[in-house]
Amino acid sequence: AQKVTQAQTEISVVEKEDVTLDCVYETRDTTYYLFWYKQPPSGELVFLIRRNSFDEQNEISGRYSWNFQKSTSSFNFTITASQVVDSAVYFCALREIFGGSNYKLTFGKGTLLTVNP
Amino acid sequence: GAVVSQHPSWVICKSGTSVKIECRSLDFQATTMFWYRQFPKQSLMLMATSNEGSKATYEQGVEKDKFLINHASLTLSTLTVTSAHPEDSSFYICSARFLEYEQYFGPGTRLTVT
Repeated sequence: AQKVTQAQTEISVVEKEDVTLDCVYETRDTTYYLFWYKQPPSGELVFLIRRNSFDEQNEISGRYSWNFQKSTSSFNFTITASQVVDSAVYFCALREIFGGSNYKLTFGKGTLLTVNP
Repeated sequence: GAVVSQHPSWVICKSGTSVKIECRSLDFQATTMFWYRQFPKQSLMLMATSNEGSKATYEQGVEKDKFLINHASLTLSTLTVTSAHPEDSSFYICSARFLEYEQYFGPGTRLTVT
């Protein structure tokens, strides 16, 4: 069975600090997708990134960066120079690629990030 | 990206009544739709998966007679909470996907049962 663990329940930082959100996953599949979503107070999930298990290259998008380490089954997310608007719940998720007809997403429990001015 | 809408965005109903939530894929055909429930400060929990024209597959612990799911067309799925009770108050999120491609989420519906 798939499992996603986000050990940090809540993180509070001061604006402009860098912050890393941890994500550790378990899967028996050799091919899978990893995702990060942002859920602001409005509730709507905002897609941030999808990473294929074959692609271990780290990715940077503006202030966001992701570190995929297959050897440790981790897919960590770093926000550089955090801003108040980054305050939200962040979910890491895993989806198998070939494991079944419905390709279900498995979500972690989420990390509440609060960025204080 | 593709757009998924939900209606209503929030609803208040009295205990014992039924409420229907609609989920529409606006610019693509949704061969599969998912319904999630999210309680405050918790993660999204998958309730059921439905393929167009087929009966929904419910996750363990989800009452199929209480949460009726209909996926009658490639652009519309409905979730009906029957005989709602206060413990059914939650944030319900639908998601839609075409075949095995990307899954898109709706904005969610906040249900309050009084």
